Amino acid sequence: GQNIDQPTEMTATEGAIVQINCTYQTSGFNGLFWYQQHAGEAPTFLSYNVLDGLEEKGRFSSFLSRSKGYSYLLLKELQMKDSASYLCAVRDGDYKLSFGAGTTVTVRA
Amino acid sequence: IAGITQAPTSQILAAGRRMTLRCTQDMRHNAMYWYRQDLGLGLRLIHYSNTAGTTGKGEVPDGYSVSRANTDDFPLTLASAVPSQTSVYFCASSDGQGDTDTQYFGPGTRLTVL
Repeated sequence: GQNIDQPTEMTATEGAIVQINCTYQTSGFNGLFWYQQHAGEAPTFLSYNVLDGLEEKGRFSSFLSRSKGYSYLLLKELQMKDSASYLCAVRDGDYKLSFGAGTTVTVRA
Repeated sequence: IAGITQAPTSQILAAGRRMTLRCTQDMRHNAMYWYRQDLGLGLRLIHYSNTAGTTGKGEVPDGYSVSRANTDDFPLTLASAVPSQTSVYFCASSDGQGDTDTQYFGPGTRLTVL
């Protein structure tokens, strides 16, 4: 089976930086995705990594180390609207997505 | 562009009843998926379809069935609902091609089985 771990909750102040870590052990690897999910809404795509290194997209960046089975999502210049759950998902050898349980980020004023 | 629609938005169902959750996409995506999301467990794949006419089992398929008669529709049926099927159900689709092959999610159906 797949094993994807991420912290349950994180709290940060508006304007700050938060790093959400994700470790994984899966049967095969064909990319890692980060999704954002606001309460009561559908997950929406944030980022995709398949090669080692950092991918930057505005205030959000995602890093991958395949040898360590590790990724992080970096949220900079936090805004209140960034309060949401962040889901780490790994695409396995069968090209199916396995999701972590999600990290709920609360941004305080 | 609607993307992916799901119906109903929410439903309360008596145990033992049959229920079909509907999912329709207008993006001409080849692949479609059904997930359930439970607190503390994240999204778990129930069934998937790589292309019209084919389906496959995911991580938690028991008690559920699907069909894919055409590209746009991918209904999920609970033949005889049980309380453990109380969950939020998300349908997703992707074009099934290329390295990124991002999945896009519908708004979800909140199902309560009593």
